[in-house]
Amino acid sequence: GENVEQHPSTLSVQEGDSAVIKCTYSDSASNYFPWYKQELGKGPQLIIDIRSNVGEKKDQRIAVTLNKTAKHFSLHITETQPEDSAVYFCAASYTGGFKTIFGAGTRLFVKA
Amino acid sequence: EAGVAQSPRYKIIEKRQSVAFWCNPISGHATLYWYQQILGQGPKLLIQFQNNGVVDDSQLPKDRFSAERLKGVDSTLKIQPAKLEDSAVYLCASSMAGEASSTDTQYFGPGTRLTVL
Repeated sequence: GENVEQHPSTLSVQEGDSAVIKCTYSDSASNYFPWYKQELGKGPQLIIDIRSNVGEKKDQRIAVTLNKTAKHFSLHITETQPEDSAVYFCAASYTGGFKTIFGAGTRLFVKA
Repeated sequence: EAGVAQSPRYKIIEKRQSVAFWCNPISGHATLYWYQQILGQGPKLLIQFQNNGVVDDSQLPKDRFSAERLKGVDSTLKIQPAKLEDSAVYLCASSMAGEASSTDTQYFGPGTRLTVL
């Protein structure tokens, strides 16, 4: 079946460094790619998303890039802070949220 | 704006027992999702409603799981009978996506942590 692969599973960085998380999707019909942050005991929260007609999107310290040909998309966090420590999930879906598939998650540790 | 509400937050049951989870989505959101999140994994979509109709239940184990969305608002997810492998967090999400909008952002509730002994 369709799937989304996410790497790395764990990422540890020093405060102020950058963090990059990469995902690959298999369903070429996917056209919406959100990223979620999940803190302990809470549900996932959307932090940024990108649609298939855009190659890059940035929101302050967070950016996402999409390569539709290679079916890759990545999350970039610059100037990391301890409060960025959490589990991050990528996902791929069709417009309207149909066929949403999540990656397995990346646990990010930001060391002060 | 109130978020997605779920109850209970925690539930412990014996295998072969039944359990039900409740979700109240954000007001006006046409689409409601139930996900299963096993420890250390990403959420897995179980069922998606648009208003009070099912649009995708392809990954719902229908021999033991059932879900309904009453009057296109609240929803319940039931497991009967429960198995050990059903231990997970059950997340409910809602979005505005529907006939009048293609907005895809899903808003998640805090989840219900189910432990099956």
